[in-house]
Amino acid sequence: LAKTTQPISMDSYEGQEVNITCSHNNIATNDYITWYQQFPSQGPRFIIQGYKTKVTNEVASLFIPADRKSSTLSLPRVSLSDTAVYYCLVGYNFNKFYFGSGTKLNVKP
Amino acid sequence: EAQVTQNPRYLITVTGKKLTVTCSQNMNHEYMSWYRQDPGLGLRQIYYSMNVEVTDKGDVPEGYKVSRKEKRNFPLILESPSPNQTSLYFCASSLMVGNTDTQYFGPGTRLTVL
Repeated sequence: LAKTTQPISMDSYEGQEVNITCSHNNIATNDYITWYQQFPSQGPRFIIQGYKTKVTNEVASLFIPADRKSSTLSLPRVSLSDTAVYYCLVGYNFNKFYFGSGTKLNVKP
Repeated sequence: EAQVTQNPRYLITVTGKKLTVTCSQNMNHEYMSWYRQDPGLGLRQIYYSMNVEVTDKGDVPEGYKVSRKEKRNFPLILESPSPNQTSLYFCASSLMVGNTDTQYFGPGTRLTVL
């Protein structure tokens, strides 16, 4: 199971682009990278998933370099409602998932 | 509407009084899981189920039991709750367990054990 490392917290202002990087040095060949978003007192929800290069959807973009040892979640022009905890998941281990502590993003007005 | 439901949403109980938190999904998912969330510790997996009658331990199974008699339901049982089980609990489900399978989470159950 690939261990992931994320910053504990980040601050940003409304309208800025936010990039959250996740390190996963021992990612396996067939591992995908998945990001979840969790608002206070709610369950996490899926944001985006990718294997390599760049993936974009209506909410975010995910950048994965060629060596796949890290990934960056990019949130364009954040608003106050993007204040949440963001989790990076890489692969799974014997049917178990490891979420870690995530990155707490605080968006200020 | 596709969803995962949990009941109750809030529960205050006393040490040693058996309780059950129910979880149900309407998406015909095979994989279901229970997590607990504590400040500074993130989400930790308690138990999971690959399918009906197939369950296994996650990272923090002590003090908990589960059952999977029907595909849609996956109750979490605390036979003798203790204060260290005070936490926020989430049930989740996914179509299968694999690299690309997205987990859908319930709204959470906030449990306080006095």
